[in-house]
Amino acid sequence: GDSVTQMEGPVTLSEEAFLTINCTYTATGYPSLFWYVQYPGEGLQLLLKATKADDKGSNKGFEATYRKETTSFHLEKGSVQVSDSAVYFCALSLYGGSQGNLIFGKGTKLSVKP
Amino acid sequence: NAGVMQNPRHLVRRRGQEARLRCSPMKGHSHVYWYRQLPEEGLKFMVYLQKENIIDESGMPKERFSAEFPKEGPSILRIQQVVRGDSAAYFCASSPRGVDNSPLHFGNGTRLTVT
Repeated sequence: GDSVTQMEGPVTLSEEAFLTINCTYTATGYPSLFWYVQYPGEGLQLLLKATKADDKGSNKGFEATYRKETTSFHLEKGSVQVSDSAVYFCALSLYGGSQGNLIFGKGTKLSVKP
Repeated sequence: NAGVMQNPRHLVRRRGQEARLRCSPMKGHSHVYWYRQLPEEGLKFMVYLQKENIIDESGMPKERFSAEFPKEGPSILRIQQVVRGDSAAYFCASSPRGVDNSPLHFGNGTRLTVT
């Protein structure tokens, strides 16, 4: 069935380090792909998205490129900050750009130390 | 402009009791989604509702769980005769439209603990 696999955390980095969180997916058809972020005690917030192959989503210094050939959507940031500490979820939707029925990965917890 | 409001934030129930979780969508949003997050797991889709209609309940357990979104008032997720395995965080999300690129706005969740 359709699924999303993320690298397991927790990931601990020093401030200004480079971040990569791997995400691969299995899906029938052509899904849209998303990264969500969950700060402690809060709900999820959309970080970025890509709706077709080779699209690059970007926001707040984070980037991810939709790679159809490797079925991947890895999240990257060149220089992390303490405020980036959160849980990051990769997700896909089979309904075009609609995010209603999302399939989520298990999440990757990121801790950034000063 | 208030976001998606869920209450209560924390709910403790004994086995066999009923749990009622409420969600008020953002102003102007007529589509509501419920997700469940089990410990150490990602969110799992449960149900998608519009006002007075259930559009997709493919993620709802077949028994004990029900959801509604009445014409007036919040959406309610109801769990009857709760069991320990129901302990989880339940998130509600809303959008102005169900299809196309409408972003989802999530609430802060209700954390249900069954003792």
